[in-house]
Amino acid sequence: DGGITQSPKYLFRKEGQNVTLSCEQNLNHDAMYWYRQDPGQGLRLIYYSQIVNDFQKGDIAEGYSVSREKKESFPLTVTSAQKNPTAFYLCASRGRDRNYGYTFGSGTRLTVV
Amino acid sequence: QQQVKQSPQSLIVQKGGISIINCAYENTAFDYFPWYQQFPGKGPALLIAIRPDVSEKKEGRFTISFNKSAKQFSLHIMDSQPGDSATYFCAASALGGANNLFFGTGTRLTVIP
Repeated sequence: DGGITQSPKYLFRKEGQNVTLSCEQNLNHDAMYWYRQDPGQGLRLIYYSQIVNDFQKGDIAEGYSVSREKKESFPLTVTSAQKNPTAFYLCASRGRDRNYGYTFGSGTRLTVV
Repeated sequence: QQQVKQSPQSLIVQKGGISIINCAYENTAFDYFPWYQQFPGKGPALLIAIRPDVSEKKEGRFTISFNKSAKQFSLHIMDSQPGDSATYFCAASALGGANNLFFGTGTRLTVIP
């Protein structure tokens, strides 16, 4: 089945540690996105990529980094510079047919311990 | 600046009642308006979407009403069921440019038996 896979589902990070969240899609979508969701809050855009080897900052990019070396993969690194990383992270993708909107992954819950 | 404004923030409806969630936008270039449904701990899933060339779209118990002149659109859930209890996000995007979706802040719907 086609879809987006995020891993791990739960992740624990120690203070000062970098962690990388995985996002893989087999939908042949060009665009991929990372969002952060805090409890009871909306979706805030971290980074997005419209094409391989290119990506753009979203509204809250500070303390995060991404890469887009393959069309299928868009990993997000939460660096030690992100002071409040505890949140639910969502990856999404979008194909060229805009009638189908975004497809979201099932999310990664990151907790600082 | 919030591109899409959503209300109410939370909504409690009796089983069998009608749930109504409203969204408003300013950017007249927006031409695609999807609604997403999110259950706790899961990623949002596309529920229904509309383009501005129609004033209403219905899929089962879910209806989008669109008012182009007022720049408003709303989601109506008929015969609301406890299983509809979730967070609902409206969104909008414009053809061209980055083609990103702008999300509302979400409405937490609770349907009580």
